[in-house]
Amino acid sequence: EVQLVESGGGLVQPGGSVTLSCVTSGFTLSNYWMNWVRQAPGKGLEWVANINQNGGATYYVGSVKGRFTISRDNTKNTLYLQMNSLRVEDTAVYYCARDPGDDSAWYYFDHWGRGTLVTVSS
Amino acid sequence: DIQLTQSPSFVSASVGDRVTITCRANHDINKWLVWYQQKPGKAPKFLITGTSSFQRFSGSVSGTDFTLTISSLQPEDFATYYCQQANVLPATFGQGTRLEIK
Repeated sequence: EVQLVESGGGLVQPGGSVTLSCVTSGFTLSNYWMNWVRQAPGKGLEWVANINQNGGATYYVGSVKGRFTISRDNTKNTLYLQMNSLRVEDTAVYYCARDPGDDSAWYYFDHWGRGTLVTVSS
Repeated sequence: DIQLTQSPSFVSASVGDRVTITCRANHDINKWLVWYQQKPGKAPKFLITGTSSFQRFSGSVSGTDFTLTISSLQPEDFATYYCQQANVLPATFGQGTRLEIK
């Protein structure tokens, strides 16, 4: 069974930093592109970033470019999202999600974690 | 960025009803669209790609207009549904359609 379990969320002050983790199981992480998708409280879904199988290619939505960094450690079956210079508008549940593409990315998400809430507030 | 507009934003229906949700893209997305279901407090769940079918859920497309049809609503189908274009980054979502019990 595919499982994705996020952690690392919490209350952070504006301008602060936090790193989210997503531990995966039930599949070979190194075979898949991976993503972070967020959802502000009571709002819709927003794709944040993705990363290819070996970590050599990463892409970001414009609002987080230069502030967030996606990375992975396939030996630990773990995906990360380092979030710097946080803003109030970054407050959201952050989901880790798998791209089902077998080599290239297919740009959608067939498995999701339960999410971790990041609240940016003073 | 590609914008997706879902309609309606809210629909009230009864068990057994047939429901249709539409998603319109503002640019050609080469039929690369998927649908998700999300229940309160839960993660989104992948449903179908744009023109596929799964159980009572089916998708269709006409140009840049995509449709999700639920053939006969079951109690567990009451949720929020999102479309998402998978043609180009950034991947973008529709604003959601909340399906509630009448």
